[in-house]
Amino acid sequence: GENVEQHPSTLSVQEGDSAVIKCTYSDSASNYFPWYKQELGKRPQLIIDIRSNVGEKKDQRIAVTLNKTAKHFSLHITETQPEDSAVYFCAARSTSYGKLTFGQGTILTVHP
Amino acid sequence: NAGVTQTPKFQVLKTGQSMTLQCAQDMNHEYMSWYRQDPGMGLRLIHYSVGAGITDQGEVPNGYNVSRSTTEDFPLRLLSAAPSQTSVYFCASTPRGGPKDNEQFFGPGTRLTVL
Repeated sequence: GENVEQHPSTLSVQEGDSAVIKCTYSDSASNYFPWYKQELGKRPQLIIDIRSNVGEKKDQRIAVTLNKTAKHFSLHITETQPEDSAVYFCAARSTSYGKLTFGQGTILTVHP
Repeated sequence: NAGVTQTPKFQVLKTGQSMTLQCAQDMNHEYMSWYRQDPGMGLRLIHYSVGAGITDQGEVPNGYNVSRSTTEDFPLRLLSAAPSQTSVYFCASTPRGGPKDNEQFFGPGTRLTVL
């Protein structure tokens, strides 16, 4: 089955800096890669996703890049703000729509 | 639309008890899934369904049963609760096609403690 590795497990930045979180996946058939933000005690919320026919996608301060050859994808957050502090999860979908494999999560802390 | 709803929000069980976690969605999504999230870990798939009457196992199915008699409902049954099943359980639904194609919509979660 699919295996997703996520790094780093914790990331601390100063407000205004950029943050980068990286994930690798094992199944070359995976074709959908979402990123979720989860605040303490809340449900995961989709922040951006990318499909395998696209190399990069941006949404304001957030961008995701995908390298299918190397089987890795990354989340980039620019001009970080304290409200970006949360746990971020990457995921990959290889077969069924209902079946995501998640990374272990990254605790992002943005210091004012 | 209420989206994805889960009941109860919190539950405490004793070892050996059984119970059902409820999940419902009103978005007419074909796909539904159950995940568990343990402290400091990502979400792990328990069971999923690609439509009414069709279910399949995920990564960690042991100790859990599911059924999908309608498009809207996807209950998760714990057969004989064990302390290792203490976790937060999230239900999710996914549309196929349309502007939200692929996106998983999560419910608010059920926090389960097994003593």
